[in-house]
Amino acid sequence: AIQLTQFPSSLSASVGDRVTITCRAGQDISRTLAWYQQKPGKAPTLLIYDASTLETGVPSRFSGSGSGTDFSLTISSLQPEDFATYYCQQFNTYPLTFGGGTKVEIK
Amino acid sequence: EVQVVESGGGLVQPGGSLRLSCAASGFTFSSYALSWLRQAPGTGLEWVSTISASGASTHYADSVKGRSIISRDNSKNTLFLQMNGLRAEDTAVFYCARMYTSTFGYYYYIDVWGNGTAVTVSS
Repeated sequence: AIQLTQFPSSLSASVGDRVTITCRAGQDISRTLAWYQQKPGKAPTLLIYDASTLETGVPSRFSGSGSGTDFSLTISSLQPEDFATYYCQQFNTYPLTFGGGTKVEIK
Repeated sequence: EVQVVESGGGLVQPGGSLRLSCAASGFTFSSYALSWLRQAPGTGLEWVSTISASGASTHYADSVKGRSIISRDNSKNTLFLQMNGLRAEDTAVFYCARMYTSTFGYYYYIDVWGNGTAVTVSS
């Protein structure tokens, strides 16, 4: 199985801050990576697919980059509604795998 | 509106069985692969199983392989997950999800999630 190492596991930030979350794959997955946001008690929602394509309706302050084994999700200016847990996920090979998650908390 | 709605969760004893269902609407059901994923309390997301649009191809996580069967009824726009030999570690919220084709061809990412159905395995 392809392991995804996501870091940091948690971070504290203020509204307006720029935040970057990193996801490292255990092998080359090209650009077959997605990012999801999950708020407490809710289902995840898709933010980014194909490593850098913004899902329709997702604010442009979210962006994704990377290819191969190293990827990142950036929130350019953190908003109150962005406090949540973020997961990366590879869809290159079965079993599909997720990173451990990054919880973004209010400083 | 594209929607998937899970049902069938509940409390079951260890060793018992459960059949989860997922009713889809708002899209051409028979054109999409579908998946089940789960999230144990306080933990991250885990992929469980995927079935192709036609139902001819299936994939399973090692954690459920041999104990679970994914299936679909394209005439009723419904996805199923039959789970047998349930264990305490199967306790989780189970999500149904639609798979969308990547621009890179034969790769599929999850674009729509249901709200989940809770499964508790306990005596």
